[in-house]
Amino acid sequence: GQSLEQPSEVTAVEGAIVQINCTYQTSGFYGLSWYQQHDGGAPTFLSYNALDGLEETGRFSSFLSRSDSYGYLLLQELQMKDSASYFCAVRPTGANNLFFGTGTRLTVIP
Amino acid sequence: NAGVTQTPKFRVLKTGQSMTLLCAQDMNHEYMYWYRQDPGMGLRLIHYSVGEGTTAKGEVPDGYNVSRLKKQNFLLGLESAAPSQTSVYFCASRTGTRILYEQYFGPGTRLTVT
Repeated sequence: GQSLEQPSEVTAVEGAIVQINCTYQTSGFYGLSWYQQHDGGAPTFLSYNALDGLEETGRFSSFLSRSDSYGYLLLQELQMKDSASYFCAVRPTGANNLFFGTGTRLTVIP
Repeated sequence: NAGVTQTPKFRVLKTGQSMTLLCAQDMNHEYMYWYRQDPGMGLRLIHYSVGEGTTAKGEVPDGYNVSRLKKQNFLLGLESAAPSQTSVYFCASRTGTRILYEQYFGPGTRLTVT
């Protein structure tokens, strides 16, 4: 089976940098994804790491280390609009679907 | 290009009633998914489809049925609703050809079973 653990809540100051961690237990997977969801909205895709290392997309970066069973999402120059829930997800080996973590609620304060 | 749409947006059912949730996508995607989202539990996969006429069970399939008669539509049915099925339901789709694994989500259906 799969298990993805994330902190339930994180608070950070506008303009700062915040890291949201995702530790996982899985027998095998193709890659680690990150999704953002604003209150009352739908999840939207942010990033995908198929290989170990850092992927950068604007203010957002995502990192994967398969040897450490660990990944994170890094948000820089935080803005108030970044207040949302963030989910990591894996696509298990041989599967056609994603398995999601329980999500981290990020609150950005002035 | 509307993306993924869901009907209805809100619904209140009484225990034992039945209903069907409709998901439609106009992106010609092969794969479609139904999730439920409960507070503190993230997104859990109910059923999914890898193409027209095919369906498969996800993590929490009990109490639900699905059909994919047309490529663009994926229906989720509740035959006899229970209060435990109170949740927000999301439909998602993705192409089968891209290496990058990205799912596109609909706006959700908020269902309350009393």
